[in-house]
Amino acid sequence: GQQLNQSPQSMFIQEGEDVSMNCTSSSIFNTWLWYKQDPGEGPVLLIALYKAGELTSNGRLTAQFGITRKDSFLNISASIPSDVGIYFCAGSLYGGATNKLIFGTGTLLAVQP
Amino acid sequence: SAVISQKPSRDICQRGTSLTIQCQVDSQVTMMFWYRQQPGQSLTLIATANQGSEATYESGFVIDKFPISRPNLTFSTLTVSNMSPEDSSIYLCSASERNQPQHFGDGTRLSIL
Repeated sequence: GQQLNQSPQSMFIQEGEDVSMNCTSSSIFNTWLWYKQDPGEGPVLLIALYKAGELTSNGRLTAQFGITRKDSFLNISASIPSDVGIYFCAGSLYGGATNKLIFGTGTLLAVQP
Repeated sequence: SAVISQKPSRDICQRGTSLTIQCQVDSQVTMMFWYRQQPGQSLTLIATANQGSEATYESGFVIDKFPISRPNLTFSTLTVSNMSPEDSSIYLCSASERNQPQHFGDGTRLSIL
């Protein structure tokens, strides 16, 4: 099935560093979501974006809905060990007949204390 | 947000057999979905579970292989039929209201021998 391109594929950083990851699509979306998945668990919603250009924060996390509606960015500031996990972006065309999500390929984040 | 419970959390099955996975939501929801996450991969939508009618399947997934039921607004099942080793994956249920983000269960980890 269709997937969104997410980069980087993986990141290995030191505790305290800032992290940036992005997600791009060839299609326009009207909603972007960012999820985090820990081992053995389902994805957990971090941030939802509903408007082109929107910048939204959730604690140390900040995400932006790209102006072109074809991309989104997630930044994590001052990383801590519990930030370890796989981060997925997801795009949706809410307002249509379905609520379907298209997921990105994922970014694996490892944080060394 | 709704709490989503899946059963079983994991199983090991023999090839050629079938397994039914249950998804229970703690409140009534408009939409429920089933995803497959192959080892080390992202999430791929299998189908949208429609209450009171046949599920809507994505390209590459068919009802004979993945029959889905949704008898009410809080419950759905996914059956993986005639399993082969290629069906070894995590199967995830999600739920949402229309135009709202999806929330996920913790998944069912399925291994086929």
